[in-house]
Amino acid sequence: NAGVMQNPRHLVRRRGQEARLRCSPMKGHSHVYWYRQLPEEGLKFMVYLQKENIIDESGMPKERFSAEFPKEGPSILRIQQVVRGDSAAYFCASSPQGAWDTEAFFGQGTRLTVV
Amino acid sequence: AQSVTQLGSHVSVSEGALVLLRCNYSSSVPPYLFWYVQYPNQGLQLLLKYTSAATLVKGINGFEAEFKKSETSFHLTKPSAHMSDAAEYFCAVSYTGTASKLTFGTGTRLQVTL
Repeated sequence: NAGVMQNPRHLVRRRGQEARLRCSPMKGHSHVYWYRQLPEEGLKFMVYLQKENIIDESGMPKERFSAEFPKEGPSILRIQQVVRGDSAAYFCASSPQGAWDTEAFFGQGTRLTVV
Repeated sequence: AQSVTQLGSHVSVSEGALVLLRCNYSSSVPPYLFWYVQYPNQGLQLLLKYTSAATLVKGINGFEAEFKKSETSFHLTKPSAHMSDAAEYFCAVSYTGTASKLTFGTGTRLQVTL
């Protein structure tokens, strides 16, 4: 059973371009979470999705950021018109259910560098 | 709002020495507490979690943590450090109704020396 798969592992974008980060959850997992890790900081929650639904986006910046988890295919975190401050590691996690005591399994992350 | 504080961004111990990584949380309701480990360029791996069943929690790789409500602490310990324990460790908390949404501390980087 493959773990949470994120791609690409490294992504370089120029300021103003769009970044698309993909996350394929573990088999049988229908709950996906995105976290951002800025340099020298802990992970910050961004968004929680189930298939075709956004459950909690309280950690998402109001502009330029969006996320989806379609019925088929991976979850996508999209950042439009990237700025240098978006440079960070973005981690995806998945769980089989959304209960608060359920372990979430993390992917290896996508390291976004904005130049 | 819930928060987690990890005291000491860097901890260095000798191989074979006790490992103690500190974590304090702020909460007005009982939390669920987690310790994760992150190796370089890797994702996070769960070491252990507290879910109110027992205050002393044993995890993988010889780590354990004790939940102390009176001190609002959940410190991570290991009796004897190994070189392979060198990594970054994150304490995290979640609360009822937040569906696995985790609040992380800023992390403690553990260095193990010969």
